[in-house]
Amino acid sequence: TQLLEQSPQFLSIQEGENLTVYCNSSSVFSSLQWYRQEPGEGPVLLVTVVTGGEVKKLKRLTFQFGDARKDSSLHITAAQPGDTGLYLCAGAKTGNTPLVFGKGTRLSVIA
Amino acid sequence: DAGVIQSPRHEVTEMGQEVTLRCKPISGHNSLFWYRQTMMRGLELLIYFNNNVPIDDSGMPEDRFSAKMPNASFSTLKIQPSEPRDSAVYFCASTLGWSTEAFFGQGTRLTVV
Repeated sequence: TQLLEQSPQFLSIQEGENLTVYCNSSSVFSSLQWYRQEPGEGPVLLVTVVTGGEVKKLKRLTFQFGDARKDSSLHITAAQPGDTGLYLCAGAKTGNTPLVFGKGTRLSVIA
Repeated sequence: DAGVIQSPRHEVTEMGQEVTLRCKPISGHNSLFWYRQTMMRGLELLIYFNNNVPIDDSGMPEDRFSAKMPNASFSTLKIQPSEPRDSAVYFCASTLGWSTEAFFGQGTRLTVV
């Protein structure tokens, strides 16, 4: 059983469209992180959210942590081909436990 | 800093052979993690170390897998004997603290034929 469920698994959209991907769990997390992974590379951190209800923006990317700290979403506005990649969410149950990762959403933005 | 360095980048080996993957974490980081990534199972945590001490190896799939961290700047993951189902990308990551930002290496793509 996957602790963090990400949806959708695959997403293919046209340049300029908006999209939202989700990361859900039945467990509470002390913090949640989003990473992006490009082919042949390791994941790279985009953002960390720690407070229930927190919203963080990174240019065209908006991240939200659920009020109950069990879920999170990533919204991309006006997607560009450079946004293509595997988006992974990762959570830590406490400050002294390692990160566990979801399987990711594989995004393809077509020009 | 050069980041987390893994070697080799690619490894092709025959079933039954011993495989050793290497990792140099970021200097000053005190936690090191080994992950395995496949399309089917995603990124799985195999084992992690804190201050060079193995903390939890419950993610290691079988006794054929072993990992060591002899000092703060080097870790190895060994598979002996290797099997085709071990084919995957193996990542090493280091952090300053347990659940802070994880810095990943570029991974080792292992193919066992």
